[in-house]
Amino acid sequence: GAVVSQHPSRVICKSGTSVKIECRSLDFQATTMFWYRQFPKQSLMLMATSNEGSKATYEQGVEKDKFLINHASLTLSTLTVTSAHPEDSSFYICSASGGQINEQFFGPGTRLTVL
Amino acid sequence: DAKTTQPTSMDCAEGRAANLPCNHSTISGNEYVYWYRQIHSQGPQYIIHGLKNNETNEMASLIITEDRKSSTLILPHATLRDTAVYYCIVMAYGQNFVFGPGTRLSVLP
Repeated sequence: GAVVSQHPSRVICKSGTSVKIECRSLDFQATTMFWYRQFPKQSLMLMATSNEGSKATYEQGVEKDKFLINHASLTLSTLTVTSAHPEDSSFYICSASGGQINEQFFGPGTRLTVL
Repeated sequence: DAKTTQPTSMDCAEGRAANLPCNHSTISGNEYVYWYRQIHSQGPQYIIHGLKNNETNEMASLIITEDRKSSTLILPHATLRDTAVYYCIVMAYGQNFVFGPGTRLSVLP
């Protein structure tokens, strides 16, 4: 299957700082990228969907001003957690779709810990 | 809300077939059945998907009942590395994935 990478794999930051997470599709052009969040012992929850060159669509309850998503190219999307707080500590996972029959390829995830 | 119901957990002996059931009684005609799995602290991994017919690939087989209200994922020879949470997802083209709690499969030596 196609390969999606995320960077960094884990990050620890102080409360109030901003953190940027990158998601790259390495061997295909991702027309759509998705960002999920997963708290311990819970399932993945979709945060937002982004199409290359357009604004992201956020799920209900996800603050767009706090979780900034940029999908500037067909191989890169970034998620910036602004003014992070301890409750934002979670496992953030991106996925990418190349327009095939809804098949999504997931990145390895980024574990964010906010102190 | 997820459109599927799966057992919370299952055990399987190493080397035996693992059969993971999924109920999707409200599935629509244009919705596919997808299976993904998530090994601890990793991103989900695509396994297989199907619409009506049974499907097989190098990882698994997907058996969909004729009325499409349920399906079974079969791992023919489970190994310890198959221990993971398995998600059954029903989705039509253009919809987003909705992950339920999945089935936690433990492959025992």
